[in-house]
Amino acid sequence: AQSVTQLGSHVSVSEGALVLLRCNYSSSVPPYLFWYVQYPNQGLQLLLKYTSAATLVKGINGFEAEFKKSETSFHLTKPSAHMSDAAEYFCAVRSNTNAGKSTFGDGTTLTVKP
Amino acid sequence: EAGVAQSPRYKIIEKRQSVAFWCNPISGHATLYWYQQILGQGPKLLIQFQNNGVVDDSQLPKDRFSAERLKGVDSTLKIQPAKLEDSAVYLCASSLNPGTANEQYFGPGTRLTVT
Repeated sequence: AQSVTQLGSHVSVSEGALVLLRCNYSSSVPPYLFWYVQYPNQGLQLLLKYTSAATLVKGINGFEAEFKKSETSFHLTKPSAHMSDAAEYFCAVRSNTNAGKSTFGDGTTLTVKP
Repeated sequence: EAGVAQSPRYKIIEKRQSVAFWCNPISGHATLYWYQQILGQGPKLLIQFQNNGVVDDSQLPKDRFSAERLKGVDSTLKIQPAKLEDSAVYLCASSLNPGTANEQYFGPGTRLTVT
């Protein structure tokens, strides 16, 4: 079985501050890990993904995430928040077996204050 | 490249009525997913198709939900009869293949309100 835990359903930062969204996963086989962003009334859009090629993954819009196997974590960061980053963020784990079933966390809503 | 299309975008029905959602995936994507996203939660997989075959429907409430992908392209998801707890956003996604690092591409979703 696989699962995802996103710590903190709401995160608020000031514009220009560091963004840190936490994700811990559980998987019995080496996983693929994903971060998606969802803007209001839109579907999910891929930010970045970990596929075992490199532990530090860079994505779109200045986001990056680091895979830490020992901590079973895949936290999302961005050095400087922008107002346009305000959205909901979802971490997902996918097994490379079991027909690639994905399990999503419950999401973290990021608010950016001016 | 056209994205994943879904219709309708919004639907309001009364409980015990039936409703159907339609999804057209990205051309060439063999895998199609239907997710249910309840407010405040992450997407939950309802059913996964590989071409026109079902790969996983373990979380589909089969007494009221059904889905088909007859020609291996577009898909419909039906609820009959609807319950209040079915109020959610229904997301369709597609990918080239499962079991790989290929990302899922999501449609805008259908927001269902059951009154």
